Amino acid sequence: GENVEQHPSTLSVQEGDSAVIKCTYSDSASNYFPWYKQELGKRPQLIIDIRSNVGEKKDQRIAVTLNKTAKHFSLHITETQPEDSAVYFCAASTQDSGGGADGLTFGKGTHLIIQP
Amino acid sequence: NAGVMQNPRHLVRRRGQEARLRCSPMKGHSHVYWYRQLPEEGLKFMVYLQKENIIDESGMPKERFSAEFPKEGPSILRIQQVVRGDSAAYFCASSPRLRAEFETQYFGPGTRLLVL
Repeated sequence: GENVEQHPSTLSVQEGDSAVIKCTYSDSASNYFPWYKQELGKRPQLIIDIRSNVGEKKDQRIAVTLNKTAKHFSLHITETQPEDSAVYFCAASTQDSGGGADGLTFGKGTHLIIQP
Repeated sequence: NAGVMQNPRHLVRRRGQEARLRCSPMKGHSHVYWYRQLPEEGLKFMVYLQKENIIDESGMPKERFSAEFPKEGPSILRIQQVVRGDSAAYFCASSPRLRAEFETQYFGPGTRLLVL
């Protein structure tokens, strides 16, 4: 089955600096890679996702890059703000032929701390 | 759009009792996924269902756990004879069948199960 590794487990950056979180996956059949943000006691919220037919996607201060050959993908947050503090999870899944997708395999999470 | 609904939000059970967790997907969504999150850990896939069908239950323990998604009504995750190790947050997610974004999973607020 799929295995997703995520690093670092904790990341502390100064407000205004950039943050980068990296993930690797093992199953070359995986073709969908979402990132979720989870605040304490809350639900995971999708912040950005990328499919295997593109190498990069950007949404305002958030970007994700995908390297299919190396089987790794990264989340980049620029101009970090205090409200970016949360746990971030990467995930991977495979689209099935019936129009649905396998369950997501998650990384263990990165606790991002934005220092004022 | 009410989003994915889960109830109860908190559930306390004594060892040996049964726990029933309910999930109502977003309107128009026909795919439901259940995940378990232990404290300080990522989410683990348990089961994937469509209406009246279990598509993938590879992440579900073989004993005591069952899931259903009937033609009418919410999806139910049932845990029989609960043990302390079942204490966790259980999240449900749903996804649409729209071709452009059928992989995207939207999470509910979760049910926090505590087994005494």
